[in-house]
Amino acid sequence: AQKVTQAQTEISVVEKEDVTLDCVYETRDTTYYLFWYKQPPSGELVFLIRRNSFDEQNEISGRYSWNFQKSTSSFNFTITASQVVDSAVYFCALRDANSGYALNFGKGTSLLVTP
Amino acid sequence: DSGVTQTPKHLITATGQRVTLRCSPRSGDLSVYWYQQSLDQGLQFLIQYYNGEERAKGNILERFSAQQFPDLHSELNLSSLELGDSALYFCASGPSGGKNEKLFFGSGTQLSVL
Repeated sequence: AQKVTQAQTEISVVEKEDVTLDCVYETRDTTYYLFWYKQPPSGELVFLIRRNSFDEQNEISGRYSWNFQKSTSSFNFTITASQVVDSAVYFCALRDANSGYALNFGKGTSLLVTP
Repeated sequence: DSGVTQTPKHLITATGQRVTLRCSPRSGDLSVYWYQQSLDQGLQFLIQYYNGEERAKGNILERFSAQQFPDLHSELNLSSLELGDSALYFCASGPSGGKNEKLFFGSGTQLSVL
């Protein structure tokens, strides 16, 4: 069963636009961990953020912000004033008791930022 | 640079062959994970080792095996290769093997089976 859903397959925006990448997860556990990773065209996976299920505080890091809402099982990622360098595939991932030690990744959202 | 080293970066081989992918984790990390990324399956967890011992198994085929050595580097062995095994194989490392640990990924090995 799909545990992490990233419904947006591809998003294209013009530079300086704000963009939100959606992530919906499914778990029966009370303790779980959510992650976002970025995969630029060069191919490596870069860690962006980790959030545990007890911490619903939203986080902002520069132009990046994350909105964690347990009520809707969502962990959305917003890029403010997007830049061409933000072009990448972004993955949301979940780790819970059922997954053991594995990170379950969503299918990813491909973001293209054009000048 | 994540500090995780994977070799080789690219590998081209034929069906039926056997290959070995190598991973050196970040200095101090005890945990190594292997993932397979393909267009149709996405990122799939294969296997995890912690301090030399297998800790968790995912969707790893019987034709695939892995190990982690005393110096903590890990190898993923793929045998009787099929066309469908063509994919990007990632290694990731983490410090503790705990459920909250964040993983640092290598740049991957692109395997092409012809």
